[in-house]
This record gives sequence, C-alpha cells and structure tokens, in this order.
Amino acid sequence: GEDVEQSLFLSVREGDSSVINCTYTDSSSTYLYWYKQEPGAGLQLLTYIFSNMDMKQDQRLTVLLNKKDKHLSLRIADTQTGDSAIYFCAEIPTDSWGKLQFGAGTQVVVTP
Amino acid sequence: ETGVTQSPTHLIKTRGQQVTLRCSSQSGHNTVSWYQQALGQGPQFIFQYYREEENGRGNFPPRFSGLQFPNYSSELNVNALELDDSALYLCASSSDRELFFGEGSRLTVL
Repeated sequence: GEDVEQSLFLSVREGDSSVINCTYTDSSSTYLYWYKQEPGAGLQLLTYIFSNMDMKQDQRLTVLLNKKDKHLSLRIADTQTGDSAIYFCAEIPTDSWGKLQFGAGTQVVVTP
Repeated sequence: ETGVTQSPTHLIKTRGQQVTLRCSSQSGHNTVSWYQQALGQGPQFIFQYYREEENGRGNFPPRFSGLQFPNYSSELNVNALELDDSALYLCASSSDRELFFGEGSRLTVL
C-alpha cells in the first residue's frame, strides 16, 4: 500500500474553500509537494514546502505543515470548476533526492 | 506547459514484447526520473538519471532499464512485457527542488 496517505474523495461547492489532507511517513523529509492531475494528463506541480516552514501561501493555495504529526494540507480558496481533478501529496524521503513518494491521490469534484 | 515532452503518447503491445519510451527534459535540467502510474493509483518511482548515470532505483525488476543522453534526454526500456506493465509512464525533469512532469506515455499490454 501507499506510505503517504490521503482521503480518496472530496466534494465541494463552487466558491467554497477546499481542504485536502495528507499524512506522510518520513519525519526527515526535506520537501513536500502538491501535484494536480486532470483526466488523461500528466502531473502539474502546484506548490511545495520546505520542511522548516509551517505555512506557504501562493495566490488561492495555502499549504500548512505540521511536522510533529507529519500532516500536510492544501487549502484552495474560492474553488472553481476548473479545480476538479486528482490531487497528489508527495514527499522526498531522506537521502532520496528526486525520488518522490506519492499518495494515492484525492479526487476533488466541484459542483455548481 | 512544463517543457517536458514524452513520446509516444499511446501505444499497444502484446505480452513478451519490448517497448522504448522517450523523454525530452526541460532545457537546463540535468536530472530525469521515471514513474509508473497504474490506473487509480499514485505514481511509483522507477529510477532516476543524473548526468547519464543511474542515480537511484525503485522496486522494479531489471527488465526495466533506462538511458540518459548527453543532451539529458532519456529513454525507458521495458523487456518481456507483462499485462501488469499496462500503465501511464511519466517522466520528470529537475535541476533543483522542482520536478516537472511530462504528459506521459500510456502503455497497454494485451
């Protein structure tokens, strides 16, 4: 099974905020990532956070990191129908530069 | 648009055949990694190349092999194809902490 855990599905109304949660495994992971995948497409890098940070904001996206609990979240403000996709959380474990370890993904469905 | 291009986009093979997938990395990126994404799952790391040398490998058998060329483009070769090799194969290029993915090559093994 996946070492990085995510909830499988999230439904949200257009205009509301979405929060996608992730639990990762390696407390020494240096970088943690969020990727977006639309149907039939590759992975789009949304944002990443360095492990010595608690929060990172980038336009509508806010990443929160709780190292003690090994918990990462992605908040999308003012969710739009174009945000419907699968969102993957990923970590780079210690001494494994370039080897992203992904969760199974959270499918986000935005309803009008 | 990530600047990472993969070919072919789709292909169909039969069991026992061999396949070569190609990836052109983003300009200036000297590191390429390959991932396998089975339907409904997250991508799994296959291996990584840095300056033409394999630099890390995931839990994949030796029939998965690769190359990186002086221009940093890369190939993934899979021999003796099995049905379970059906998946989306993703290439990512990086030069620092950002990894950018191509659109993938979807392989179907019949």
